[in-house]
Amino acid sequence: GAVVSQHPSWVICKSGTSVKIECRSLDFQATTMFWYRQFPKQSLMLMATSNEGSKATYEQGVEKDKFLINHASLTLSTLTVTSAHPEDSSFYICRGQGGDEQFFGPGTRLTVL
Amino acid sequence: AQTVTQSQPEMSVQEAETVTLSCTYDTSENNYYLFWYKQPPSRQMILVIRQEAYKQQNATENRFSVNFQKAAKSFSLKISDSQLGDTAMYFCAFIPSRTSGSRLTFGEGTQLTVNP
Repeated sequence: GAVVSQHPSWVICKSGTSVKIECRSLDFQATTMFWYRQFPKQSLMLMATSNEGSKATYEQGVEKDKFLINHASLTLSTLTVTSAHPEDSSFYICRGQGGDEQFFGPGTRLTVL
Repeated sequence: AQTVTQSQPEMSVQEAETVTLSCTYDTSENNYYLFWYKQPPSRQMILVIRQEAYKQQNATENRFSVNFQKAAKSFSLKISDSQLGDTAMYFCAFIPSRTSGSRLTFGEGTQLTVNP
């Protein structure tokens, strides 16, 4: 069945490095990909929305130069955290939507040392 | 703008008993969908149940059912015969159905603990 896969599931990196998170839609075409950030015991916070082939739309307060989103195809979207710092440590989740179908990726736990 | 409110940050229930989680929302939309998602310790978001606003009949999925009151903008989740595996964070969510790519608005979440 249709799912969204997300890789890596967890990553630990040093401060100042960049990290790329990939979300792939399987058995459906995600025309829109939503990227969320979630802190422990809190709700999901929408960071940005991307449509295939278009520039992402970022929520207020989210630095677009720090969180680079690419949605080059209907099956792949990436989020790159550039020059990561400890405060970027969080759980990142993608949600792919195509027509009436929508699926969450399993999430990526990012720890920046 | 839409808002979703879950007024119970934490709840607990004994195994095999019934528990109801509350959710209210505010919107000017007439056509929309409401969801309950479960997020267990693995943090994978799992769809529990979905309700279409134009349907008056309350949605049910096995042990899970909702009480959808459109006029009151209320959407509560009832879990019957609670099981240990139901322990999770539960999120109520809203999405307007007018366009694809619409944003999903989440409530703050309710942490449910099922005790043996």
